Amino acid sequence: AQTVTQSQPEMSVQEAETVTLSCTYDTSESDYYLFWYKQPPSRQMILVIRQEAYKQQNATENRFSVNFQKAAKSFSLKISDSQLGDAAMYFCAYRSDLNSGGSNYKLTFGKGTLLTVNP
Amino acid sequence: EAGVTQFPSHSVIEKGQTVTLRCDPISGHDNLYWYRRVMGKEIKFLLHFVKESKQDESGMPNNRFLAERTGGTYSTLKVQPAELEDSGVYFCASSPAWDRGFYEQYFGPGTRLTVT
Repeated sequence: AQTVTQSQPEMSVQEAETVTLSCTYDTSESDYYLFWYKQPPSRQMILVIRQEAYKQQNATENRFSVNFQKAAKSFSLKISDSQLGDAAMYFCAYRSDLNSGGSNYKLTFGKGTLLTVNP
Repeated sequence: EAGVTQFPSHSVIEKGQTVTLRCDPISGHDNLYWYRRVMGKEIKFLLHFVKESKQDESGMPNNRFLAERTGGTYSTLKVQPAELEDSGVYFCASSPAWDRGFYEQYFGPGTRLTVT
């Protein structure tokens, strides 16, 4: 079974600075997806960024980028130029790749990292 | 386009009572998922519907939990009788049919259940 570990229960960053959230995972599969979800206070969870395991290039979405180290099974999220609106709980998640014959469509989550942005 | 909605947003019940949670997925989404987050722990998968059929219910904790999806539209999750350890936030998510390639799971705001 796959597991996802987020070792930082809480992080804080000053507005306009950069912060990196850590995530490691364990799997025996070679093809899969990794995700970072964001859940602002009292709001629903939204997808921030995804990474396909077969892609060597790290995914980037505006101020959000990942450092995907497949051999090390590490998937960190970097938020640049942090904004007050980035304050949220961030969840790292894993999903098997259905197109490679995987049958597990469910997401496996870490415990989350609560990010505070200080003005 | 309306997102995934869940009702109620909060529910406080006593141990032994029954509670029914409802999820309305995004219109046209065949896949519907239930997840649960117990305080301080991971969000865990409960079950997955494809249209009205249960595709996988391996995450359901025990037979006190019953999920249904009427006509492949909205879904309900009933807990009967509720126990203290059932407290947590119950999330619903939906996604389009698989044949459209990669699909994102869109989450609802969750229902916070407190069993006292």
